[in-house]
Amino acid sequence: AQSVAQPEDQVNVAEGNPLTVKCTYSVSGNPYLFWYVQYPNRGLQFLLKYITGDNLVKGSYGFEAEFNKSQTSFHLKKPSALVSDSALYFCAVRDPNSGGYQKVTFGTGTKLQVIP
Amino acid sequence: GAGVSQTPSNKVTEKGKYVELRCDPISGHTALYWYRQSLGQGPEFLIYFQGTGAADDSGLPNDRFFAVRPEGSVSTLKIQRTERGDSAVYLCASSPSDRNTEAFFGQGTRLTVV
Repeated sequence: AQSVAQPEDQVNVAEGNPLTVKCTYSVSGNPYLFWYVQYPNRGLQFLLKYITGDNLVKGSYGFEAEFNKSQTSFHLKKPSALVSDSALYFCAVRDPNSGGYQKVTFGTGTKLQVIP
Repeated sequence: GAGVSQTPSNKVTEKGKYVELRCDPISGHTALYWYRQSLGQGPEFLIYFQGTGAADDSGLPNDRFFAVRPEGSVSTLKIQRTERGDSAVYLCASSPSDRNTEAFFGQGTRLTVV
């Protein structure tokens, strides 16, 4: 079964500092990995994905994530945090070898608080 | 419309009642998903449609929950004999058939069972 772990319930970072939100995954084969962001009373918005190719993936709003197969991780990063980045972030995984369907499993989320 | 539309945005119902939640996916998207998000939790998979058929309903918690997508577009999630534990935000998402593509989410329906 596929699963995702986000070990931090909350991450606090000062505005202008780099941020990292951690994610590790477990799948039987090569994973498809996603990051979504959720603002209060809003739906999930797609940030970026890793399917194949370059391990460093760039996405929306200046975010990027690095796929590390040996550590089964897909940490979300941004060089300089903005107050407007404060939101709930979800990591998600899809196992493309899991019977041909597209079930995506989400982590429990990490609340990012950027302090002015 | 441009995005996934879910109606109603909020639904309050009494314990034991029947409710229907509607999802209108992005035009042309063949894949449709329902998720449930409880307070402080990540979205929990309920069911996935490819076209009109439910390709995977392994996430439906029990037989009180049922979903349909009769014409391969709009989907309805149906909950019978609602319980207070059913209170959550129900999210719908859609994506093209290409499995490399991410899912696009609606804003959800907040269901409160009193």
